[in-house]
Amino acid sequence: NAGVTQTPKFQVLKTGQSMTLQCAQDMNHNSMYWYRQDPGMGLRLIYYSASEGTTDKGEVPNGYNVSRLNKREFSLRLESAAPSQTSVYFCASSAWTGFDNEQFFGPGTRLTVL
Amino acid sequence: AQSVTQLDSHVSVSEGTPVLLRCNYSSSYSPSLFWYVQHPNKGLQLLLKYTSAATLVKGINGFEAEFKKSETSFHLTKPSAHMSDAAEYFCVVSDLNSGYALNFGKGTSLLVTP
Repeated sequence: NAGVTQTPKFQVLKTGQSMTLQCAQDMNHNSMYWYRQDPGMGLRLIYYSASEGTTDKGEVPNGYNVSRLNKREFSLRLESAAPSQTSVYFCASSAWTGFDNEQFFGPGTRLTVL
Repeated sequence: AQSVTQLDSHVSVSEGTPVLLRCNYSSSYSPSLFWYVQHPNKGLQLLLKYTSAATLVKGINGFEAEFKKSETSFHLTKPSAHMSDAAEYFCVVSDLNSGYALNFGKGTSLLVTP
């Protein structure tokens, strides 16, 4: 089992460009999440999908959109990238949304916006 | 709302000596508490979690943490540090009020010297 996979691993964009970060999990999990990690900030939730067909905003959703393509895949789109979106992005999944439920993380995508 | 404070941003220990990473939390409800570890350029891995069962929780790689409600603390310990323990450690809280959301501390960077 690969667990949670993310593509690409690295990306450099110019301000105003768009891109989609891909995430897939093979654990048959219902819930998936997108976080960003900035130095000294810990991880902050951008969007999550409690189950296939649903998505909801997290703590920092502005400038992002998501799509839960199917049970396995959850993508994050930047429509018009800004330097403030330079960050490391992590996708995670869990069996369901519940406050005691372990989340499994992908290896991350390091994004730089110039 | 719940929150978590990691009291040290950096901790340095010698190989073979004990490790103590401190975490305090606040929560209006009975919380779930987690410790995650992140090795350089890797995703996050769950070390251990507390979900209202035994207050002393044992995790992987010899780590353990004790939930102390009276002190609102969940400190992470290990009797003897190994070089491979050098990483970033995140204390995380979640509770019934937050549902899906994991609330991350800002992290503690553990340095292990020979």
